[in-house]
Amino acid sequence: DAGVIQSPRHEVTEMGQEVTLRCKPISGHDYLFWYRQTMMRGLELLIYFNNNVPIDDSGMPEDRFSAKMPNASFSTLKIQPSEPRDSAVYFCASRSTLNEKLFFGSGTQLSVL
Amino acid sequence: GENVEQHPSTLSVQEGDSAVIKCTYSDSASNYFPWYKQELGKGPQLIIDIRSNVGEKKDQRIAVTLNKTAKHFSLHITETQPEDSAVYFCAAIYMKTSYDKVIFGPGTSLSVIP
Repeated sequence: DAGVIQSPRHEVTEMGQEVTLRCKPISGHDYLFWYRQTMMRGLELLIYFNNNVPIDDSGMPEDRFSAKMPNASFSTLKIQPSEPRDSAVYFCASRSTLNEKLFFGSGTQLSVL
Repeated sequence: GENVEQHPSTLSVQEGDSAVIKCTYSDSASNYFPWYKQELGKGPQLIIDIRSNVGEKKDQRIAVTLNKTAKHFSLHITETQPEDSAVYFCAAIYMKTSYDKVIFGPGTSLSVIP
């Protein structure tokens, strides 16, 4: 398996623009997580899905953030409108119900100017 | 909720020496303790984990010890090599209810000096 695949690897955008981050979990994994990593706050859980259904989005910072999982092999995290304080590395991770091991993608480095 | 503390925040060792990173947790019900390694520009990668029914686990140069009474666990890396340089994260999880919200420690930046 290719692992968790995220795109793009880097995104530079201007304040106010819409940003869409994409994730393909490992095939067969039924949990998908979105994390944000910053120097100040470390790894923060934003939202997670189980069987494509959002279970807990209490970590989503504001209404500007939204996430979807239309099918078992694809998820998006959207920020609209983006702000400079959204600059961070965003990670997607997945795991199987049968195994507690969590697998991360390589992340998307987001810079909002 | 669970709170995980991790020390030290930075650690420098000479190649060949040992490195020890310690974590403490607050929820006595926690029963699963993974360690992740994050190299520059990459996502965290699971390197070793331990369950509460085991006091120690070893995998080549890496070992983890768990003291449930004191609620702390440690990562030990022996014979360190430059490729061990990375940020290491611990987590403490109660598998039955809170696993879905894995809370990571703040991380330890390890530098191995050749």
